[in-house]
Amino acid sequence: ELKVEQNPLFLSMQEGKNYTIYCNYSTTSDRLYWYRQDPGKSLESLFVLLSNGAVKQEGRLMASLDTKARLSTLHITAAVHDLSATYFCAVPSNTGNQFYFGTGTSLTVIP
Amino acid sequence: DTEVTQTPKHLVMGMTNKKSLKCEQHMGHRAMYWYKQKAKKPPELMFVYSYEKLSINESVPSRFSPECPNSSLLNLHLHALQPEDSALYLCASSLGGFTGANVLTFGAGSRLTVL
Repeated sequence: ELKVEQNPLFLSMQEGKNYTIYCNYSTTSDRLYWYRQDPGKSLESLFVLLSNGAVKQEGRLMASLDTKARLSTLHITAAVHDLSATYFCAVPSNTGNQFYFGTGTSLTVIP
Repeated sequence: DTEVTQTPKHLVMGMTNKKSLKCEQHMGHRAMYWYKQKAKKPPELMFVYSYEKLSINESVPSRFSPECPNSSLLNLHLHALQPEDSALYLCASSLGGFTGANVLTFGAGSRLTVL
């Protein structure tokens, strides 16, 4: 079974600082997804990375994918309180009809 | 329409009750999913329907029974649940397979409490 690990599991950071969340997965995949979940809410899609070397940016978040290293990163630039949430990466199965979620990173941005 | 609609938003039931969770999408997605999520954990896949046929059943106890009446609707029938089944139940849909980006679109969830 495909395993997806994220680190750190918990991240507390000050506003204005930069940090990176890492997502490692155990088998080959040429695509990876990032989702955000606010407390008590559902998941919403942030990024879809569809090939090796893909980089996507939205506001203060930037995601990248290295399929050879089986690694994706989610970089946070100049964090603000609104970014406080849990972030999940997810990797599809080889049929594309099953998604394996990472352990999640709970981010708290402190003023 | 770019939404997945789940009802009810909250459900409290006893261990002997029978209830159903409902999910609807009108995006033309051909894959629909039920996930269970406990607090501070990632979503756990329960069932996948692909083109209205059950394609994945992740060894879920028979007290959970999925149904896909048509390509837009997905139900989860609940019977004789246990307190440990209390969780957030998420429905999601996607184009299916590797069609396009195949992003999962999630509903708002149904928060289930079993007494």
